Amino acid sequence: DTGVSQDPRHKITKRGQNVTFRCDPISEHNRLYWYRQTLGQGPEFLTYFQNEAQLEKSRLLSDRFSAERPKGSFSTLEIQRTEQGDSAMYLCASSFGQKNTGELFFGEGSRLTVL
Amino acid sequence: QKEVEQDPGPLSVPEGAIVSLNCTYSNSAFQYFMWYRQYSRKGPELLMYTYSSGNKEDGRFTAQVDKSSKYISLFIRDSQPSDSATYLCAMRRDDKIIFGKGTRLHILP
Repeated sequence: DTGVSQDPRHKITKRGQNVTFRCDPISEHNRLYWYRQTLGQGPEFLTYFQNEAQLEKSRLLSDRFSAERPKGSFSTLEIQRTEQGDSAMYLCASSFGQKNTGELFFGEGSRLTVL
Repeated sequence: QKEVEQDPGPLSVPEGAIVSLNCTYSNSAFQYFMWYRQYSRKGPELLMYTYSSGNKEDGRFTAQVDKSSKYISLFIRDSQPSDSATYLCAMRRDDKIIFGKGTRLHILP
């Protein structure tokens, strides 16, 4: 098992373009989380899935953001009509089980720069 | 008021010193308390987690939780330059993990 992988690691785009990030969790993990982290801040919760069901979305996740996890495996996070304020590190994490103690396994993140 | 408050630092200490990192929280619903370490341009990695008030030790690291004061701490003994990183406190509420801002720590050789 190679851990949580995210792709691409860095994306530079122009304002108004759409971007999509992919996350491949640890294979036996049934929970998958997306967080956003800006410089000098801790990760901010965006959304999470249990298997293929999206169970919660943060108010931070505007209607320009959509996340999917088809078949409960990999997940995608799409941002439409990007804005400069979307520039951040997008972190994916996975965990296993109902009784989640909080042990999230994070990927290296996908850094988004919106020009 | 933010749910989790953490001083962002930076905190610079000489090698070998004892480091104390702290967070306060406002929501009594938090159940699990964690400390994550994040190196530059990397994802966070879990250092320690604890459920109850009291101390939990793992090598050079000790996590302390005081639920009555809504205060958690991480102590690092015999600090090493390789401990230089950002330390994030985190707390679980329902199925969400809420993070503090992180404290940047520099261990000076």
